[in-house]
Amino acid sequence: KAGVTQTPRYLIKTRGQQVTLSCSPISGHRSVSWYQQTPGQGLQFLFEYFSETQRNKGNFPGRFSGRQFSNSRSEMNVSTLELGDSALYLCASSLVPGQGNYGYTFGSGTRLTVV
Amino acid sequence: KNEVEQSPQNLTAQEGEFITINCSYSVGISALHWLQQHPGGGIVSLFMLSSGKKKHGRLIATINIQEKHSSLHITASHPRDSAVYICAEGGSQGNLIFGKGTKLSVKP
Repeated sequence: KAGVTQTPRYLIKTRGQQVTLSCSPISGHRSVSWYQQTPGQGLQFLFEYFSETQRNKGNFPGRFSGRQFSNSRSEMNVSTLELGDSALYLCASSLVPGQGNYGYTFGSGTRLTVV
Repeated sequence: KNEVEQSPQNLTAQEGEFITINCSYSVGISALHWLQQHPGGGIVSLFMLSSGKKKHGRLIATINIQEKHSSLHITASHPRDSAVYICAEGGSQGNLIFGKGTKLSVKP
């Protein structure tokens, strides 16, 4: 079966612009979580969606937002981009949310560069 | 506050060596995850464990709940094992909390 698909793979944006990233989970997985990875901070949790509802949010400013559609696909949006938003953005899908006891499958990530 | 500490940060080994990466966490967890990240960024989930030991091929993961400690072992290491290995705990709200990772380089 197909894995977690993230698009685009690479993106270059200018400061002040906004960007939308997409994540399609594994078929049957209803939960999607998003993570930011930077050299300085490592991997950090952004938010988690299940049944089109945000269940949980990490410690990021309101410029970071997301949504989930009825087919479980998720998008995240970053508005008013800053240089510090340059990072690898990863999404992971799981059957249900709060998967401390179950598995996650990660996508290959979207590498965002803000210039 | 949940914290996940990994050691060592960097590890260089010769092909064939036995490798151990350690992970300590600060609070009680529901599960501990070991992840592998190759250059290019994609992450592969290697193990998820809440007790005891799991084995997959040359990889072995163990966890000691009382000591809040987990180890990832690689037997007969190979250059293709070169990657960053990350441990993560399942946080109380269900999200993952990550260690900083261990960069492993296996020389032929």
